[in-house]
Amino acid sequence: EAGVAQSPRYKIIEKRQSVAFWCNPISGHATLYWYQQILGQGPKLLIQFQNNGVVDDSQLPKDRFSAERLKGVDSTLKIQPAKLEDSAVYLCASSEGQGISYTEAFFGQGTRLTVV
Amino acid sequence: AQSVTQLDSHVSVSEGTPVLLRCNYSSSYSPSLFWYVQHPNKGLQLLLKYTSAATLVKGINGFEAEFKKSETSFHLTKPSAHMSDAAEYFCVVTLIKAAGNKLTFGGGTRVLVKP
Repeated sequence: EAGVAQSPRYKIIEKRQSVAFWCNPISGHATLYWYQQILGQGPKLLIQFQNNGVVDDSQLPKDRFSAERLKGVDSTLKIQPAKLEDSAVYLCASSEGQGISYTEAFFGQGTRLTVV
Repeated sequence: AQSVTQLDSHVSVSEGTPVLLRCNYSSSYSPSLFWYVQHPNKGLQLLLKYTSAATLVKGINGFEAEFKKSETSFHLTKPSAHMSDAAEYFCVVTLIKAAGNKLTFGGGTRVLVKP
């Protein structure tokens, strides 16, 4: 079974520039998550999709971050303009979990963003 | 609301000695609980999950965890640490929702294994 694919793996940009990350979840998984993991901290949920609808974006800084999930499959996360504090690893995960207990989320390897 | 507290940010053990990583949770509902491991520059990998079939859960690589409802804990243990166990470990509580399960992470415990 193919895992969650993310690209790019690494990205270095200057502050105020824009950047986009891409995620391809496991086939058939209805739920897709984007997490931000700052060095030394646990992952923090940015946005959660169920198919192509947003179910939780309460912690997404909407003035600079945006995300979409095309046709309920692939997803992109964009930051515009980037700030220094956006330096982090951005993790994408997917899950079957549509009201199903004990079903885990599968994570991609993440995109490490450095803003200079 | 739900939350997870990992009581130790760092744990240092000698190779061959037991490992204990502590996790306490808060949840309004009966929780689903997971432990994930993250090796440097790698993605998060599931170690084990609590399925309510048994309070003692066995996972990969010799790890196990015990669910104690009365203590709201889900501590992770391994009888004998190996050098390859050096990594960061996350305890996760899941809120089951029809609109998609919500995962909440603890702050993580970094494990150092000394030869």
